[in-house]
Amino acid sequence: EAGVAQSPRYKIIEKRQSVAFWCNPISGHATLYWYQQILGQGPKLLIQFQNNGVVDDSQLPKDRFSAERLKGVDSTLKIQPAKLEDSAVYLCASSLVLGMNTEAFFGQGTRLTVV
Amino acid sequence: AQSVTQLGSHVSVSEGALVLLRCNYSSSVPPYLFWYVQYPNQGLQLLLKYTTGATLVKGINGFEAEFKKSETSFHLTKPSAHMSDAAEYFCAVSASNTGNQFYFGTGTSLTVIP
Repeated sequence: EAGVAQSPRYKIIEKRQSVAFWCNPISGHATLYWYQQILGQGPKLLIQFQNNGVVDDSQLPKDRFSAERLKGVDSTLKIQPAKLEDSAVYLCASSLVLGMNTEAFFGQGTRLTVV
Repeated sequence: AQSVTQLGSHVSVSEGALVLLRCNYSSSVPPYLFWYVQYPNQGLQLLLKYTTGATLVKGINGFEAEFKKSETSFHLTKPSAHMSDAAEYFCAVSASNTGNQFYFGTGTSLTVIP
């Protein structure tokens, strides 16, 4: 079974530039998560999708971050414009069904450096 | 709301010694509890999880954890540390009343000394 795929693995951009990350979850997984992991901290949820609908985006900085999952499969997270404090690893995860106690499966993440 | 506290951001043990990583949680409803491991430049990999039933759960690589409701704890243990256990460990909690979101602790970095 293929895991959660993310690209790119690494990205370096200047502040005020824009960047996009892509995630393809495990086939059949209805729930998709984007997490931000700042160095030395635990992952923090940015947004959670159930199919193509947003379940929770309360911690997403909506003035600069956006995410979509148009067909209920793969997803894109965008930052525009980027700030220095956005430097982090962005993790995508998926799980089988919302509302059940299944674990989340994580991709390898995209390491973003904003200079 | 749910939250997780991991005591000790860094733990060092000798190879062959007991590993004990501490996790305390807060939840207003019965929680689901997880331990994940993260190796450098990798995503998170599930070690074990507690949902319902037996409070002692066994995971991969010889790890186990015990859910203690009275202590609101879910500590991770391994009887004998191996060099390959060196990694970052995260405890997480989720619950049905919050959309099964995962709330992570700040992590514990485990160093194994040869």
